[in-house]
Amino acid sequence: DTGVSQDPRHKITKRGQNVTFRCDPISEHNRLYWYRQTLGQGPEFLTYFQNEAQLEKSRLLSDRFSAERPKGSFSTLEIQRTEQGDSAMYLCASSLGVAEETQYFGPGTRLLVL
Amino acid sequence: RKEVEQDPGPFNVPEGATVAFNCTYSNSASQSFFWYRQDCRKEPKLLMSVYSSGNEDGRFTAQLNRASQYISLLIRDSKLSDSATYLCVVNNPSGTYKYIFGTGTRLKVLA
Repeated sequence: DTGVSQDPRHKITKRGQNVTFRCDPISEHNRLYWYRQTLGQGPEFLTYFQNEAQLEKSRLLSDRFSAERPKGSFSTLEIQRTEQGDSAMYLCASSLGVAEETQYFGPGTRLLVL
Repeated sequence: RKEVEQDPGPFNVPEGATVAFNCTYSNSASQSFFWYRQDCRKEPKLLMSVYSSGNEDGRFTAQLNRASQYISLLIRDSKLSDSATYLCVVNNPSGTYKYIFGTGTRLKVLA
């Protein structure tokens, strides 16, 4: 399967714990995006990488959230001191870049904070 | 005002019906437009891009009206398998290429 992959697919954690999610984009895709989706809403943009450079962060991304893409391939999203309001589906997407901006989404990581 | 607005539905239609969804966007500088389909508890999947001249893919037709700042999706001869949430997506014009999603329109096709 050469699509976007995410790990884990589900995560249950207790409030206050740290969690880390991984995204592997489609190979050769330069751009990588993180979105968050809650029930009944469309996905909301969190952050975006062009290769290894993080070029934009949403104001939704509080200081408890950090994302990296150290070698311009896979990316991680870490949430520190989780809160119940962090419960959501975290979606990763990638795009080829250059003139092609269609984004392809991974299956998401569903987070439940108890 | 939300940047991208859709009627959340649900739209309940019988098999074989024609159904249309509209979506409005607020930023007149928006460059690219898409419709994504999302099944329950799954990721969004690209249904079609929306071009200024309008475009068709089988039973699906998408149109863009830049003057009125809305895009539409028409589904003809609805199938049970069309039941899903349809997300309107606008590409941010500021250069970061992030997507701005509507809340989605739920469609249920009834036998």
